[in-house]
Amino acid sequence: AQKITQTQPGMFVQEKEAVTLDCTYDTSDQSYGLFWYKQPSSGEMIFLIYQGSYDEQNATEGRYSLNFQKARKSANLVISASQLGDSAMYFCAMRAIIQGAQKLVFGQGTRLTINP
Amino acid sequence: DGGITQSPKYLFRKEGQNVTLSCEQNLNHDAMYWYRQDPGQGLRLIYYSQIVNDFQKGDIAEGYSVSREKKESFPLTVTSAQKNPTAFYLCASSPTGTYGYTFGSGTRLTVV
Repeated sequence: AQKITQTQPGMFVQEKEAVTLDCTYDTSDQSYGLFWYKQPSSGEMIFLIYQGSYDEQNATEGRYSLNFQKARKSANLVISASQLGDSAMYFCAMRAIIQGAQKLVFGQGTRLTINP
Repeated sequence: DGGITQSPKYLFRKEGQNVTLSCEQNLNHDAMYWYRQDPGQGLRLIYYSQIVNDFQKGDIAEGYSVSREKKESFPLTVTSAQKNPTAFYLCASSPTGTYGYTFGSGTRLTVV
């Protein structure tokens, strides 16, 4: 069964430091996609970055990069030069084909707090 | 601008009453999804629909019902059979075969 595991319930980081949020996944599919979303206190889900299972290079989007280690089934999010506005919940998710339908499977999330 | 509209943002209902949450998209996406989120938790799939007039149960469908009569609309009814309906509900859509998921801003349901 497809599963996402985020082992850090909370992270506290000083402003301007880099932060790594951990994500491991479990799937037997050869083709899959991995996502990171940011959820501020308002509740909206903001898409940050995507990595396809066949992508050879790690995805990057501005200050966000995804450290994809396929053999370890790991897809960690790296935020460089953290800002106060980065404080939020962060979710790792995997696109899976289950019973012929495409679905997103989410981890439990990590609450990131950036301290000034 | 294209997007997903969920209404209302906050909803209060008495225990034992059915309530319907609205989700409308103007992105021309084929697939639509309903997720439930409890405090401090991840999102769990309630129902999804890949095409008009067809939908399937997700992981936690008991106590919920949906319809998909139009491509743009995917309303969710929380019935009195749902034992713990108080939660944050998120609707999402995606084009078939791509990874472009779009989420609505959510409805926070409180049952008293």
